[in-house]
Amino acid sequence: KQEVTQIPAALSVPEGENLVLNCSFTDSAIYNLQWFRQDPGKGLTSLLLIQSSQREQTSGRLNASLDKSSGRSTLYIAASQPGDSATYLCAVLRASGSRLTFGEGTQLTVNP
Amino acid sequence: NAGVMQNPRHLVRRRGQEARLRCSPMKGHSHVYWYRQLPEEGLKFMVYLQKENIIDESGMPKERFSAEFPKEGPSILRIQQVVRGDSAAYFCASSQEDSLLTEAFFGQGTRLTVV
Repeated sequence: KQEVTQIPAALSVPEGENLVLNCSFTDSAIYNLQWFRQDPGKGLTSLLLIQSSQREQTSGRLNASLDKSSGRSTLYIAASQPGDSATYLCAVLRASGSRLTFGEGTQLTVNP
Repeated sequence: NAGVMQNPRHLVRRRGQEARLRCSPMKGHSHVYWYRQLPEEGLKFMVYLQKENIIDESGMPKERFSAEFPKEGPSILRIQQVVRGDSAAYFCASSQEDSLLTEAFFGQGTRLTVV
């Protein structure tokens, strides 16, 4: 059974800091890994999708890496802004199934 | 190209009533997934459907819950005889033909409150 863990559960940083969010998964047989952002009371916005054959993806100030063999992914946010405050979720798509398995999320607060 | 559309956004039902949640996938997407997010918990998979077919319903509670994705119209998640524990945010996602390799796009969710 695939389990996804995100550390830390919550993070508060001052504006301008670079930060790293961590995601680990127990079954390395995955097709892809996605990072999402969820604002309070809102839906999920896809940030980055990394295929199992890829090592990283970048979009603007965001960079996600994937080490499938060790079951880890990181989301790097450069020069954080108050508008980055949200819950960040990682989800993996197993090779043997059709569902995304989500972590519990990291609640990020960027203070002005 | 509109995103995944869910309605209603908020739904209040009394215990014992039925709740119907609707999801229209993105244009060109034929795969629909339903997830549930209980308060203070992560998203849990419920069911995966293609047009007129249930592919994987292993995450659905055995009783009172059903889902369909007809040839025409939106996907429907139906909860019969709702109980307080059904209060949650229900999210729908859709993807293109080859669901294993493409990105999943989520709707804004329906927040069900059972009173």
